[in-house]
Amino acid sequence: DVKVTQSSRYLVKRTGEKVFLECVQDMDHENMFWYRQDPGLGLRLIYFSYDVKMKEKGDIPEGYSVSREKKERFSLILESASTNQTSMYLCASSPRRRGTETQYFGPGTRLLVL
Amino acid sequence: GEDVEQSLFLSVREGDSSVINCTYTDSSSTYLYWYKQEPGAGLQLLTYIFSNMDMKQDQRLTVLLNKKDKHLSLRIADTQTGDSAIYFCAESITDSWGKLQFGAGTQVVVTP
Repeated sequence: DVKVTQSSRYLVKRTGEKVFLECVQDMDHENMFWYRQDPGLGLRLIYFSYDVKMKEKGDIPEGYSVSREKKERFSLILESASTNQTSMYLCASSPRRRGTETQYFGPGTRLLVL
Repeated sequence: GEDVEQSLFLSVREGDSSVINCTYTDSSSTYLYWYKQEPGAGLQLLTYIFSNMDMKQDQRLTVLLNKKDKHLSLRIADTQTGDSAIYFCAESITDSWGKLQFGAGTQVVVTP
Protein backbone atom coordinates (compact mmCIF):
# COMPACT_ATOMS: atom_id res chain seq x y z
CA ASP A 1 0.00 0.00 0.00
CA VAL A 2 1.17 3.49 -0.84
CA LYS A 3 1.72 5.58 2.22
CA VAL A 4 1.90 9.35 2.18
CA THR A 5 2.42 10.99 5.54
CA GLN A 6 2.30 14.63 6.55
CA SER A 7 4.18 15.95 9.54
CA SER A 8 1.22 17.54 11.33
CA ARG A 9 -2.55 17.14 11.27
CA TYR A 10 -3.19 20.55 12.83
CA LEU A 11 -1.01 23.65 13.08
CA VAL A 12 -1.62 27.07 14.58
CA LYS A 13 0.79 29.81 13.59
CA ARG A 14 0.98 33.58 13.90
CA THR A 15 1.04 36.06 11.04
CA GLY A 16 4.59 36.56 9.81
CA GLU A 17 5.93 33.23 11.04
CA LYS A 18 7.83 30.93 8.72
CA VAL A 19 5.95 27.65 8.39
CA PHE A 20 7.23 24.30 7.17
CA LEU A 21 4.88 21.53 6.07
CA GLU A 22 6.55 18.19 5.45
CA CYS A 23 5.39 15.30 3.31
CA VAL A 24 6.97 11.86 2.97
CA GLN A 25 6.02 9.03 0.62
CA ASP A 26 7.32 5.48 0.73
CA MET A 27 6.61 4.24 -2.80
CA ASP A 28 9.57 5.69 -4.67
CA HIS A 29 7.27 7.98 -6.66
CA GLU A 30 8.88 10.60 -8.86
CA ASN A 31 6.01 13.10 -8.70
CA MET A 32 4.93 14.95 -5.60
CA PHE A 33 2.31 17.66 -5.24
CA TRP A 34 1.11 20.26 -2.77
CA TYR A 35 -2.52 21.42 -2.89
CA ARG A 36 -4.61 23.64 -0.76
CA GLN A 37 -8.28 22.89 -0.25
CA ASP A 38 -10.86 25.55 0.52
CA PRO A 39 -14.66 25.12 0.69
CA GLY A 40 -16.29 25.57 -2.69
CA LEU A 41 -12.95 25.87 -4.47
CA GLY A 42 -11.86 22.24 -4.43
CA LEU A 43 -8.18 21.45 -4.71
CA ARG A 44 -5.83 24.01 -6.13
CA LEU A 45 -2.29 23.05 -7.06
CA ILE A 46 0.40 25.11 -5.34
CA TYR A 47 3.59 23.38 -6.53
CA PHE A 48 4.56 20.19 -8.24
CA SER A 49 7.88 18.32 -8.28
CA TYR A 50 8.71 15.67 -10.87
CA ASP A 51 12.16 14.80 -9.57
CA VAL A 52 14.65 15.62 -6.86
CA LYS A 53 15.48 19.32 -6.88
CA MET A 54 12.98 19.90 -9.70
CA LYS A 55 9.85 21.96 -9.15
CA GLU A 56 7.14 23.58 -11.16
CA LYS A 57 4.65 26.26 -10.15
CA GLY A 58 1.04 25.27 -9.96
CA ASP A 59 -2.00 27.52 -10.14
CA ILE A 60 -1.45 29.47 -6.89
CA PRO A 61 2.27 29.56 -6.00
CA GLU A 62 2.33 33.11 -4.59
CA GLY A 63 3.42 33.20 -0.97
CA TYR A 64 4.77 29.64 -1.05
CA SER A 65 8.02 27.89 -1.88
CA VAL A 66 9.01 24.23 -1.92
CA SER A 67 12.01 22.02 -1.39
CA ARG A 68 12.73 18.53 -2.71
CA GLU A 69 16.17 17.45 -1.55
CA LYS A 70 15.32 13.75 -1.39
CA LYS A 71 13.00 11.73 -3.56
CA GLU A 72 10.71 10.70 -0.72
CA ARG A 73 10.30 14.14 0.88
CA PHE A 74 8.60 17.28 -0.39
CA SER A 75 8.37 20.35 1.83
CA LEU A 76 6.05 23.31 1.51
CA ILE A 77 7.29 26.57 3.00
CA LEU A 78 5.27 29.62 3.88
CA GLU A 79 7.97 32.29 4.15
CA SER A 80 5.77 34.72 6.07
CA ALA A 81 2.41 33.26 6.97
CA SER A 82 -0.67 35.37 6.41
CA THR A 83 -4.27 34.87 7.53
CA ASN A 84 -5.38 34.15 3.96
CA GLN A 85 -3.17 31.06 4.03
CA THR A 86 -5.43 29.47 6.63
CA SER A 87 -6.50 26.33 4.83
CA MET A 88 -6.26 22.56 4.54
CA TYR A 89 -3.02 21.51 2.84
CA LEU A 90 -2.84 18.19 1.05
CA CYS A 91 0.23 16.42 -0.24
CA ALA A 92 0.09 13.74 -2.94
CA SER A 93 2.49 11.56 -4.89
CA SER A 94 2.33 9.57 -8.11
CA PRO A 95 4.64 7.54 -10.32
CA ARG A 96 5.86 9.27 -13.46
CA ARG A 97 4.62 6.90 -16.12
CA ARG A 98 2.53 8.20 -18.97
CA GLY A 99 -1.03 7.01 -18.64
CA THR A 100 -0.79 6.41 -14.91
CA GLU A 101 -1.55 9.67 -13.19
CA THR A 102 -3.26 8.23 -10.12
CA GLN A 103 -2.29 10.38 -7.18
CA TYR A 104 -2.08 9.12 -3.61
CA PHE A 105 -2.87 11.58 -0.87
CA GLY A 106 -1.72 12.19 2.66
CA PRO A 107 -4.21 12.88 5.49
CA GLY A 108 -3.84 16.66 5.20
CA THR A 109 -2.62 19.44 7.50
CA ARG A 110 -5.16 21.94 8.72
CA LEU A 111 -3.32 25.23 9.19
CA LEU A 112 -4.73 28.17 11.10
CA VAL A 113 -2.87 31.48 10.84
CA LEU A 114 -3.82 33.99 13.52
CA GLY B 1 -6.54 26.32 -15.90
CA GLU B 2 -9.61 24.76 -17.32
CA ASP B 3 -12.54 23.97 -15.04
CA VAL B 4 -13.93 20.62 -14.07
CA GLU B 5 -17.47 21.22 -12.87
CA GLN B 6 -19.55 19.42 -10.28
CA SER B 7 -22.64 20.30 -8.32
CA LEU B 8 -21.71 21.18 -4.77
CA PHE B 9 -24.29 19.24 -2.77
CA LEU B 10 -26.39 16.09 -2.93
CA SER B 11 -28.77 14.73 -0.31
CA VAL B 12 -29.86 11.10 -0.57
CA ARG B 13 -31.82 8.68 1.60
CA GLU B 14 -30.14 5.60 2.94
CA GLY B 15 -30.76 2.67 0.61
CA ASP B 16 -31.39 4.84 -2.47
CA SER B 17 -28.98 5.27 -5.35
CA SER B 18 -26.79 8.38 -5.53
CA VAL B 19 -25.69 9.88 -8.82
CA ILE B 20 -22.91 12.45 -8.83
CA ASN B 21 -22.26 14.27 -12.07
CA CYS B 22 -19.17 15.95 -13.49
CA THR B 23 -18.28 17.72 -16.69
CA TYR B 24 -14.67 17.93 -17.76
CA THR B 25 -12.83 19.89 -20.39
CA ASP B 26 -9.89 18.01 -21.87
CA SER B 27 -11.12 15.66 -24.58
CA SER B 28 -7.63 14.11 -24.66
CA SER B 29 -7.64 13.09 -21.01
CA THR B 30 -6.38 9.55 -20.64
CA TYR B 31 -8.01 8.76 -17.32
CA LEU B 32 -10.86 10.22 -15.32
CA TYR B 33 -11.00 9.69 -11.59
CA TRP B 34 -13.34 9.71 -8.65
CA TYR B 35 -11.88 10.39 -5.23
CA LYS B 36 -13.66 10.31 -1.86
CA GLN B 37 -12.81 12.51 1.11
CA GLU B 38 -14.24 11.65 4.51
CA PRO B 39 -14.39 14.37 7.18
CA GLY B 40 -10.96 15.49 8.35
CA ALA B 41 -9.12 13.11 6.02
CA GLY B 42 -7.17 13.19 2.78
CA LEU B 43 -8.50 12.03 -0.57
CA GLN B 44 -8.89 8.34 -1.21
CA LEU B 45 -9.01 6.98 -4.76
CA LEU B 46 -12.42 5.36 -5.33
CA THR B 47 -12.26 4.36 -8.94
CA TYR B 48 -11.10 5.53 -12.33
CA ILE B 49 -12.04 4.95 -15.95
CA PHE B 50 -9.86 4.82 -19.01
CA SER B 51 -11.01 7.22 -21.68
CA ASN B 52 -11.73 4.51 -24.26
CA MET B 53 -14.34 2.93 -21.97
CA ASP B 54 -17.89 4.11 -21.51
CA MET B 55 -18.73 2.21 -18.34
CA LYS B 56 -16.96 0.62 -15.41
CA GLN B 57 -18.59 -1.25 -12.54
CA ASP B 58 -16.96 -2.02 -9.23
CA GLN B 59 -19.28 -3.51 -6.59
CA ARG B 60 -21.73 -0.73 -5.64
CA LEU B 61 -20.01 1.84 -7.88
CA THR B 62 -20.80 2.43 -11.54
CA VAL B 63 -18.92 5.01 -13.58
CA LEU B 64 -20.41 6.23 -16.84
CA LEU B 65 -18.43 8.22 -19.37
CA ASN B 66 -19.96 10.17 -22.24
CA LYS B 67 -17.00 11.42 -24.25
CA LYS B 68 -19.09 13.33 -26.74
CA ASP B 69 -20.59 15.50 -23.98
CA LYS B 70 -17.47 15.29 -21.74
CA HIS B 71 -19.71 14.05 -18.96
CA LEU B 72 -18.72 11.68 -16.19
CA SER B 73 -20.99 10.27 -13.53
CA LEU B 74 -20.62 8.12 -10.45
CA ARG B 75 -23.55 6.04 -9.29
CA ILE B 76 -23.51 4.54 -5.80
CA ALA B 77 -26.08 1.80 -5.36
CA ASP B 78 -27.74 1.17 -1.97
CA THR B 79 -26.20 4.28 -0.44
CA GLN B 80 -25.10 3.87 3.18
CA THR B 81 -24.38 6.42 5.91
CA GLY B 82 -20.68 5.61 5.47
CA ASP B 83 -20.93 7.03 1.95
CA SER B 84 -21.42 10.53 3.38
CA ALA B 85 -18.35 12.38 2.16
CA ILE B 86 -17.08 14.83 -0.44
CA TYR B 87 -16.60 13.28 -3.88
CA PHE B 88 -14.14 14.80 -6.34
CA CYS B 89 -13.89 14.08 -10.00
CA ALA B 90 -10.56 14.70 -11.71
CA GLU B 91 -9.20 14.54 -15.22
CA SER B 92 -5.65 13.83 -16.28
CA ILE B 93 -4.07 16.77 -18.09
CA THR B 94 -2.63 15.95 -21.49
CA ASP B 95 1.15 16.03 -21.67
CA SER B 96 1.52 17.13 -18.08
CA TRP B 97 3.25 14.00 -16.79
CA GLY B 98 1.10 13.51 -13.80
CA LYS B 99 -1.01 16.56 -13.09
CA LEU B 100 -4.72 16.22 -12.47
CA GLN B 101 -7.41 18.88 -12.68
CA PHE B 102 -9.93 18.50 -9.86
CA GLY B 103 -13.51 19.64 -9.59
CA ALA B 104 -14.72 21.56 -6.54
CA GLY B 105 -16.20 18.44 -4.97
CA THR B 106 -19.76 17.29 -4.28
CA GLN B 107 -20.79 17.02 -0.64
CA VAL B 108 -23.00 13.93 -0.31
CA VAL B 109 -25.18 13.69 2.79
CA VAL B 110 -26.94 10.42 3.45
CA THR B 111 -30.04 10.66 5.62
CA PRO B 112 -31.67 7.75 7.47
